[in-house]
Amino acid sequence: DQQVKQNSPSLSVQEGRISILNCDYTNSMFDYFLWYKKYPAEGPTFLISISSIKDKNEDGRFTVFLNKSAKHLSLHIVPSQPGDSAVYFCAASADGGATNKLIFGTGTLLAVQP
Amino acid sequence: DTGVSQDPRHKITKRGQNVTFRCDPISEHNRLYWYRQTLGQGPEFLTYFQNEAQLEKSRLLSDRFSAERPKGSFSTLEIQRTEQGDSAMYLCASSTGPTPQHFGDGTRLSIL
Repeated sequence: DQQVKQNSPSLSVQEGRISILNCDYTNSMFDYFLWYKKYPAEGPTFLISISSIKDKNEDGRFTVFLNKSAKHLSLHIVPSQPGDSAVYFCAASADGGATNKLIFGTGTLLAVQP
Repeated sequence: DTGVSQDPRHKITKRGQNVTFRCDPISEHNRLYWYRQTLGQGPEFLTYFQNEAQLEKSRLLSDRFSAERPKGSFSTLEIQRTEQGDSAMYLCASSTGPTPQHFGDGTRLSIL
């Protein structure tokens, strides 16, 4: 049972354009969401998070949007840069993260073309 | 280097052998996590420590798996009687807050 789903295995975007990565979840108990970036042969790197009490969180070029009614979140990268090329994982937890257990999606490979 | 350090980076072993991995978290991080990642999947939670106490374990962690964090510093993950299905990347992470923000580069386990 995949509680966190990233239905697009890959995405290709031109440099300078917007990248939109999507994530859907099924568990209504999830109340804290995170995005991680992973380069080959490296561990995931935390990017940005959002609590369910918000619908948007912004950090520089990265913005995460949360639509609780649709159980959907998205990560926007503007403008996209070649160095953003990586696998992006969406993750979720319940109880504000207090469970210490994150449920990850399967990832989306982003390729930013120069 | 002040990041999370994992050793070894790659371990190749025969089925049935025991293996042990080590994780050195970022100093002063009291929380330490182990995750496992197989090909095409996201990381899956295995276990969590706060200081030296193991507070949460996934049902993925069968009797063949054991994790320790003596003295609340480094941690070890041991797999006994390895099986083909244990082949994966084993990731360690540490944090001061409730969610893992700093992952190591992982130990890739290959079972022959």
